[in-house]
Amino acid sequence: DIVMTQSPDSLAVSLGERATINCRSSQSIFYSSNNNNYLAWYQQKAGQPPKLLFYWASTRESGVPDRFSGSGSGTDFTLTISSLQAEDVAVYYCQQYYNTPFTFGPGTKVDLK
Amino acid sequence: QAQLQQSGPGLVKPSQTLSLTCAISGDRVSSNSAAWNWIRQSPSRGLEWLGRTYYRSKWYTDYAESVKSRITINPDTTKNQFSLQLSSVTPEDTAVYYCARALSGGKTCDLWGRGTLVTVSS
Repeated sequence: DIVMTQSPDSLAVSLGERATINCRSSQSIFYSSNNNNYLAWYQQKAGQPPKLLFYWASTRESGVPDRFSGSGSGTDFTLTISSLQAEDVAVYYCQQYYNTPFTFGPGTKVDLK
Repeated sequence: QAQLQQSGPGLVKPSQTLSLTCAISGDRVSSNSAAWNWIRQSPSRGLEWLGRTYYRSKWYTDYAESVKSRITINPDTTKNQFSLQLSSVTPEDTAVYYCARALSGGKTCDLWGRGTLVTVSS
């Protein structure tokens, strides 16, 4: 199975400041035949299911604010919130869908400082 | 606007079978461009993908090895839904269970059910 790790476990950021979350896969999840990284990012708020933010590592899902960005390739990926808003307080997960079983990272909790 | 509506009991006794259903509106379980997934979430195991079913001229299923001997995911085209059965449950199977759609073209798990808390307890 591909193991997904995330760092940090949690972070507290002031309103308007940048938040950066890292995700690493235990093997490359880049598929050269279509030039895509099989990496998704989700946001989960309390009592709700996860919400898809990005797929293909950096393709923003419809309706996701552009203060969110996804980057990275191969085994190392980053989710950035350029200017944190109060509604961004949540837990963020990365997931690989390169191989079954599709596996998730343990999550990064983002709070307001 | 597609939606997924989950149903099923919230309490299951140890050794019994957990059964959940996910009704689909606004899409088809037999779509050639979607896969229908079950995922669970618990404090101890985090988010855990359990398996999926999808139709590409015939039906396919994939299961996580961790539950492969106990899990069945079935599509029901007449009711436009899919189901999860997990047999021989133990308290370790206590979790919030989600159904989710993944689309071809890489848009994985773009649509989720609201989740069902299933507690395994006598």
